[in-house]
Amino acid sequence: SQKIEQNSEALNIQEGKTATLTCNYTNYSPAYLQWYRQDPGRGPVFLLLIRENEKEKRKERLKVTFDTTLKQSLFHITASQPADSATYLCALFKAAGNKLTFGGGTRVLVKP
Amino acid sequence: DADVTQTPRNRITKTGKRIMLECSQTKGHDRMYWYRQDPGLGLRLIYYSFDVKDINKGEISDGYSVSRQAQAKFSLSLESAIPNQTALYFCATSDILTSSGGYNEQFFGPGTRLTVL
Repeated sequence: SQKIEQNSEALNIQEGKTATLTCNYTNYSPAYLQWYRQDPGRGPVFLLLIRENEKEKRKERLKVTFDTTLKQSLFHITASQPADSATYLCALFKAAGNKLTFGGGTRVLVKP
Repeated sequence: DADVTQTPRNRITKTGKRIMLECSQTKGHDRMYWYRQDPGLGLRLIYYSFDVKDINKGEISDGYSVSRQAQAKFSLSLESAIPNQTALYFCATSDILTSSGGYNEQFFGPGTRLTVL
């Protein structure tokens, strides 16, 4: 069956360091992958999208990589700040099916 | 004003009661979705609609029904609520996927916290 895995353990990181989150998938050939941020008590907010033919995407302090051979995406927050503390969700989209499937999310806590 | 609104924001009900959760959007999107979120399980798709006349089941539709009253409104019903339907429910919208492969970024409402006793 199709599966998307994110590290369920919270990631504690010191302010200024780089946080790296992992999204692994099996039995998928996604057309593209998205990352969302979710704050407590709120709906997810879209951050970045990367297509299957792209290796890397950047937006300000965020960087996403997509390795379709390893079936893995890495999400990096550089120069992390306490305001980056949130849960980050990855989601995969297959063109056949026309809908997103979400991972369980990884909580990030940036300590000052 | 928020682009995607959900009512109620919180609801406590008893087993066997019928519950309706409502979602409205002002983004003009054709596509609307209902998800539930449980700790550690992420977001799971309940139902989705690509236009007013199109309703599709998601991965966990049993025990739920939906109605797309208009482009802007999509409601979720629990005909006879049970305790394992206690969860956080989110409505989302997205634009049409373009022929050139335009992405399916989704815009989420603030969520409804439902507790079934």
